[in-house]
Amino acid sequence: KQEVTQIPAALSVPEGENLVLNCSFTDSAIYNLQWFRQDPGKGLTSLLLIQSSQREQTSGRLNASLDKSSGRSTLYIAASQPGDSATYLCASRIGGNTGKLIFGQGTTLQVKP
Amino acid sequence: SQTIHQWPATLVQPVGSPLSLECTVEGTSNPNLYWYRQAAGRGLQLLFYSVGIGQISSEVPQNLSASRPQDRQFILSSKKLLLSDSGFYLCAWSGTGNTEAFFGQGTRLTVV
Repeated sequence: KQEVTQIPAALSVPEGENLVLNCSFTDSAIYNLQWFRQDPGKGLTSLLLIQSSQREQTSGRLNASLDKSSGRSTLYIAASQPGDSATYLCASRIGGNTGKLIFGQGTTLQVKP
Repeated sequence: SQTIHQWPATLVQPVGSPLSLECTVEGTSNPNLYWYRQAAGRGLQLLFYSVGIGQISSEVPQNLSASRPQDRQFILSSKKLLLSDSGFYLCAWSGTGNTEAFFGQGTRLTVV
């Protein structure tokens, strides 16, 4: 059974700092891994999708990496801003065409001005 | 472009009352559809998924049911709500294959 873990659960950094959020999964037989952002009381916004054959994906100040062999993914945020404050969730996709996502508990990020 | 609509945004219901949450997707056909629940302090739990009209798979035994009467419509229901049904319900869709998943804005359900 796939289990996804995110460390740390919460993180507070000063504005401008570069930071890394960690995601680990127990079963390396994933189809892809997706990172989401969730603002309080809102739905999930997709940030980056990494296919199982890929090593990393980049979007603006965000870079996500995937190492299937070690069961790890990281989300790197460069030059953090107060607007980056949110909960970040990673999810591994299992089950082929059914597309089921298994989520971690999330990391709540606070960027202080 | 594809969009996903979910309503209502918030709902307060008494114990024992029925429930109907609706989700629709626009701009795509034959999507995979999902209902997730996010309880306070817990991660997202997959409740139901559907790969086609009338095809519903349940992930966990519970007081809820789901239906897909049309290709792009997914409904979450209950005949009698329990206090433990309170939570944040999220609908999502993805294409077939290893494609990206997209979520609606969620429904905050409080059972009192």
